[in-house]
Amino acid sequence: DAGVIQSPRHEVTEMGQEVTLRCKPISGHNSLFWYRQTMMRGLELLIYFNNNVPIDDSGMPEDRFSAKMPNASFSTLKIQPSEPRDSAVYFCASSLDRPDTQYFGPGTRLTVL
Amino acid sequence: QKEVEQNSGPLSVPEGAIASLNCTYSDRGSQSFFWYRQYSGKSPELIMSIYSNGDKEDGRFTAQLNKASQYVSLLIRDSQPSDSATYLCAVNMNSGNTPLVFGKGTRLSVIA
Repeated sequence: DAGVIQSPRHEVTEMGQEVTLRCKPISGHNSLFWYRQTMMRGLELLIYFNNNVPIDDSGMPEDRFSAKMPNASFSTLKIQPSEPRDSAVYFCASSLDRPDTQYFGPGTRLTVL
Repeated sequence: QKEVEQNSGPLSVPEGAIASLNCTYSDRGSQSFFWYRQYSGKSPELIMSIYSNGDKEDGRFTAQLNKASQYVSLLIRDSQPSDSATYLCAVNMNSGNTPLVFGKGTRLSVIA
């Protein structure tokens, strides 16, 4: 299996622009997690889906962030408008039924100027 | 607020020594516990999981859990320079396939 796939790997944008991050989970996994990692705050859960349904989005910082999972093989995280404080590495992870099967994608390093 | 606490380090140990990494968690009802390794610029990788009190060994790695003290540790025997990374402690504070709460990680440096 190819593992969790994320795109783009790096994104540099200007404040105010829309940013869309993409994730393809491992085939057959039924849970998908979006995390954000910064030096100051560590690895934080933003939102997670189970069977394509958002279960908990309490970690989403504000209304500028939105996430969708239209099918079992694709999810997006959108930031509109982006701000410099959104600069971080965004990880997508997927798992099947058990938290110890949670696998991370390579991450997207986002820089907002 | 459900929290997982780790010493940020860096923890420096000589090659061949035992590295000891510690973690405490706030939710007494937590069910399962994990250690992830993250190399610089890479994604976290699961290296150990532990569910019951006591020790669990896997090669050079030993995870220790003490639920009464709300304490988890990871021992790395015969440390190698390739073990130099940040180690993240993660706790599942509910049952089933629910999100993990991560500590901020301890940076380990193994000196050759």
